Amino acid sequence: DAGITQSPRHKVTETGTPVTLRCHQTENHRYMYWYRQDPGHGLRLIHYSYGVKDTDKGEVSDGYSVSRSKTEDFLLTLESATSSQTSVYFCATLGEGNTGELFFGEGSRLTVL
Amino acid sequence: KQEVTQIPAALSVPEGENLVLNCSFTDSAIYNLQWFRQDPGKGLTSLLLIQSSQREQTSGRLNASLDKSSGRSTLYIAASQPGDSATYLCAVDSNYQLIWGAGTKLIIKP
Repeated sequence: DAGITQSPRHKVTETGTPVTLRCHQTENHRYMYWYRQDPGHGLRLIHYSYGVKDTDKGEVSDGYSVSRSKTEDFLLTLESATSSQTSVYFCATLGEGNTGELFFGEGSRLTVL
Repeated sequence: KQEVTQIPAALSVPEGENLVLNCSFTDSAIYNLQWFRQDPGKGLTSLLLIQSSQREQTSGRLNASLDKSSGRSTLYIAASQPGDSATYLCAVDSNYQLIWGAGTKLIIKP
């Protein structure tokens, strides 16, 4: 357990409003990831970070931005939420020791009306 | 482009049966393959990770195999229990990106 907490766990918002999801980890893992999960799809990578202030895009990054100012926090921002961004968002960290094991938070369910 | 497929999308079996979940991938150049469990409304929990040089990994009643040449992995669950009911996902680490299957929803009937 990498001690990953996501907030908020549930959010309902309106189209056009900004939304920020927070991921906090206590294990000092270097790599952090934001995924979205939609019915009928596997998880899809939005953005990831390989260190403080070091981030890169995933396969579905349009409409999303991220920031990592501290090792323990990785923020995902939707500048202007759209209904297509209704989803469950998961944060994950990569365990140390080069095993490749991922640890996940419990998810943030976002509904954009 | 790597693609990962899990068939069937859902499976229901009586308690006590042994069962196999399947994961197939299109590109055999992988770094590792992982199996995860997801309970409703929860995050994912890593079950087993198989490095590309390995053929199988075991943890308790779970055994995962990897055949890179055929692009297949199986997750074997022995003596299934109602508590095994969950969605099982596989993910392939290919070119330093994880590519995910859509999962198999498993229901174990008491």
